[in-house]
Amino acid sequence: RKEVEQDPGPFNVPEGATVAFNCTYSNSASQSFFWYRQDCRKEPKLLMSVYSSGNEDGRFTAQLNRASQYISLLIRDSKLSDSATYLCVVNTGNQFYFGTGTSLTVIP
Amino acid sequence: DVKVTQSSRYLVKRTGEKVFLECVQDMDHENMFWYRQDPGLGLRLIYFSYDVKMKEKGDIPEGYSVSREKKERFSLILESASTNQTSMYLCASTTLRGGVGGYTFGSGTRLTVV
Repeated sequence: RKEVEQDPGPFNVPEGATVAFNCTYSNSASQSFFWYRQDCRKEPKLLMSVYSSGNEDGRFTAQLNRASQYISLLIRDSKLSDSATYLCVVNTGNQFYFGTGTSLTVIP
Repeated sequence: DVKVTQSSRYLVKRTGEKVFLECVQDMDHENMFWYRQDPGLGLRLIYFSYDVKMKEKGDIPEGYSVSREKKERFSLILESASTNQTSMYLCASTTLRGGVGGYTFGSGTRLTVV
């Protein structure tokens, strides 16, 4: 079983829509969680960490559900510039595990 | 601003060549990593290092080796390049041995082996 599983999409949504991505992880001992954004042919960049109580950064909301072992990312009021691949990352012990990424295209 | 620099953005090498990919970080991070990224497979860990002269195998170390002679530099070596090593290679560093704190990635090296 993979350490981290992510729906690859693609998600194609109109501007202004709300879209949510989920990511499940297999190890209940996982300690910290992140969402990264990767633009085409560029490196991944940290979008936000995910805290146990949930956290928000502008239009982006991240949540963690330890009981069900998943993290989520909610994007409200989607912009064209949100088009990218979103990677979830889970830290377990000394290792970081990456999802394969979810592709988002925001359509005018 | 935190920086991880990879020496080449694009490389084309011939089958059988020895290839060196260099990565330098200026953040005094202890931990450095090499990944390759392929469509549909995501990021796969090749090797990592928690300290100078220290290295550990990741998930796909076959055909690769690494060198960490200085804290800021982590080199990936393809001993004899093969076409199935055509990929995007990403170096990353982090200051923590696990726990809170994400990665900083270099801009990547797109390697083509012909």
